[in-house]
Amino acid sequence: AQTVTQSQPEMSVQEAETVTLSCTYDTSESDYYLFWYKQPPSRQMILVIRQEAYKQQNATENRFSVNFQKAAKSFSLKISDSQLGDAAMYFCAYRSYYNTDKLIFGTGTRLQVFP
Amino acid sequence: EAQVTQNPRYLITVTGKKLTVTCSQNMNHEYMSWYRQDPGLGLRQIYYSMNVEVTDKGDVPEGYKVSRKEKRNFPLILESPSPNQTSLYFCASSPLGSEKLFFGSGTQLSVL
Repeated sequence: AQTVTQSQPEMSVQEAETVTLSCTYDTSESDYYLFWYKQPPSRQMILVIRQEAYKQQNATENRFSVNFQKAAKSFSLKISDSQLGDAAMYFCAYRSYYNTDKLIFGTGTRLQVFP
Repeated sequence: EAQVTQNPRYLITVTGKKLTVTCSQNMNHEYMSWYRQDPGLGLRQIYYSMNVEVTDKGDVPEGYKVSRKEKRNFPLILESPSPNQTSLYFCASSPLGSEKLFFGSGTQLSVL
């Protein structure tokens, strides 16, 4: 069974600085998707970025980028030029390419942003 | 506007009083799913449905029921709620085979 691990329950960063959130996963599959979701205090689940495992190139969305290391089963999220609005809970998630019945989530990392 | 609508957003109830959390999507998605979110545990899948009249258990189905009589609706039923079902619940949907999930805005349930 697949698992997703986020080993940092809390992180903090100063405004305008860069922070990296860690995520590791375990799977025997070769084709899958990885995601980072943001959950602000409103509790909404907002998709930040996604990565297809067959793509070697790391995904980027504006200030958000990932470092995808398939062999190491690592999928970290880098937030550049952090803003106060980035403060939220961040979840890493895995979805199989073939068995699309569910997302498997990590336990989350709470990010605080200080002015 | 394409969306997944959950109701209610907040619910406080007492042990044993049956309740239903509704979920409706207007995107004609085949796949729908329920998750619960608990501190330190992330989100865990309760039940999912691949199409009308097709439902299956997720990782934590005990104490819950679902039905999928219509494509757009996927209600979550707690026949006899208990305090350990106090949680934040999310409904989600997607086209079949798509990796992108659309989430509802969540239902915070407290069972006293």
